[in-house]
Amino acid sequence: GEDVEQSLFLSVREGDSSVINCTYTDSSSTYLYWYKQEPGAGLQLLTYIFSNMDMKQDQRLTVLLNKKDKHLSLRIADTQTGDSAIYFCAENNAGNMLTFGGGTRLMVKP
Amino acid sequence: GAVVSQHPSRVICKSGTSVKIECRSLDFQATTMFWYRQFPKQSLMLMATSNEGSKATYEQGVEKDKFLINHASLTLSTLTVTSAHPEDSSFYICSASEGGAEQYFGPGTRLTVT
Repeated sequence: GEDVEQSLFLSVREGDSSVINCTYTDSSSTYLYWYKQEPGAGLQLLTYIFSNMDMKQDQRLTVLLNKKDKHLSLRIADTQTGDSAIYFCAENNAGNMLTFGGGTRLMVKP
Repeated sequence: GAVVSQHPSRVICKSGTSVKIECRSLDFQATTMFWYRQFPKQSLMLMATSNEGSKATYEQGVEKDKFLINHASLTLSTLTVTSAHPEDSSFYICSASEGGAEQYFGPGTRLTVT
């Protein structure tokens, strides 16, 4: 079955880079995603990467994919207090259903 | 970007009553909509997948008679929690897809059953 795992918590100082890691088990996933959830809100799609890519950059966000190790990471450059939120990685399965990790709570200290 | 709305954002109902939650794709046609449930400080659990004009596909362990899903048009799906009980209290989130890689989420509906 599919399993997606993330560390629970990450704390960084404003201006530093944040790296959130994720491991998954389904090698047939076509896309891998990063979503952001602020308190009491829905999920905001940040970025996604096609499984045959190993890197994708979008402004302050860099996604790295190691398909061999089934490891996905999200790097946020110049982290701001507004980046404080829970970040979920997800993989898609048949029918485009998403399996989510447990979420990583990012705390940015001023 | 694509926008998905949910209504209501919060609802409190009495045990035994039914509650309907709407999910709308505002600027695109959603061939597929998904309903998720999120418990406090936990991840999202997929409840069901619905395609416009057809019956929803429910995940294992989700009671289809309790969580009625209707996807009557390409921009609207509804989730009705029937005969709600306190254990149904949760954050319900829908998402919508045009069929491509992107899946866009609504802002969620917090249901409290007293």
